[in-house]
Amino acid sequence: DGGITQSPKYLFRKEGQNVTLSCEQNLNHDAMYWYRQDPGQGLRLIYYSQIVNDFQKGDIAEGYSVSREKKESFPLTVTSAQKNPTAFYLCASIRGDSGANVLTFGAGSRLTVL
Amino acid sequence: SQQGEEDPQALSIQEGENATMNCSYKTSINNLQWYRQNSGRGLVHLILIRSNEREKHSGRLRVTLDTSKKSSSLLITASRAADTASYFCATVYNQGGKLIFGQGTELSVKP
Repeated sequence: DGGITQSPKYLFRKEGQNVTLSCEQNLNHDAMYWYRQDPGQGLRLIYYSQIVNDFQKGDIAEGYSVSREKKESFPLTVTSAQKNPTAFYLCASIRGDSGANVLTFGAGSRLTVL
Repeated sequence: SQQGEEDPQALSIQEGENATMNCSYKTSINNLQWYRQNSGRGLVHLILIRSNEREKHSGRLRVTLDTSKKSSSLLITASRAADTASYFCATVYNQGGKLIFGQGTELSVKP
């Protein structure tokens, strides 16, 4: 089945550590996105990539980094510079020629800083 | 902020009743979408309505769009306990643009 796989589902981090969240898709979608969701809140865009080897900052990029070396993969690194990293992180993708920007989401990764 | 606003923030109803959620936005849009999120899961796309459409149906879902009032509503008819989830509207402000999400309505359907 085609879809988006995020791992790990749960991750615990000590303060000062960098962590990387994985996002893999087999939908052959061109664009990929990372969102952050806090309790009772909507989604805020962290980074997005419309083609391989290119990505743009979203609304809350500070303290995060990404790479897009392959079409299928868009990992997100939460660095120690992110002051409040505890959140639910969602990866999503869009087919490039869809025209309608309908997102397909992964199941999410929940990061907790101890 | 261009972010849509949804109301109510929370809604609790009995099975069989209809549920209505509203979304307002601030500037002209290309399209508006509704997504559903079960607790602790990713979002699932439900329905998209374009700026030149006024109403759309999909199964028990009915979406309306009033561009003059910059608002949309999602109606779930004959609700079921399985409809319990958070519902988000998302707006696209130009062709190929980013989606801007509202803060969601948490729906609880009691059996």
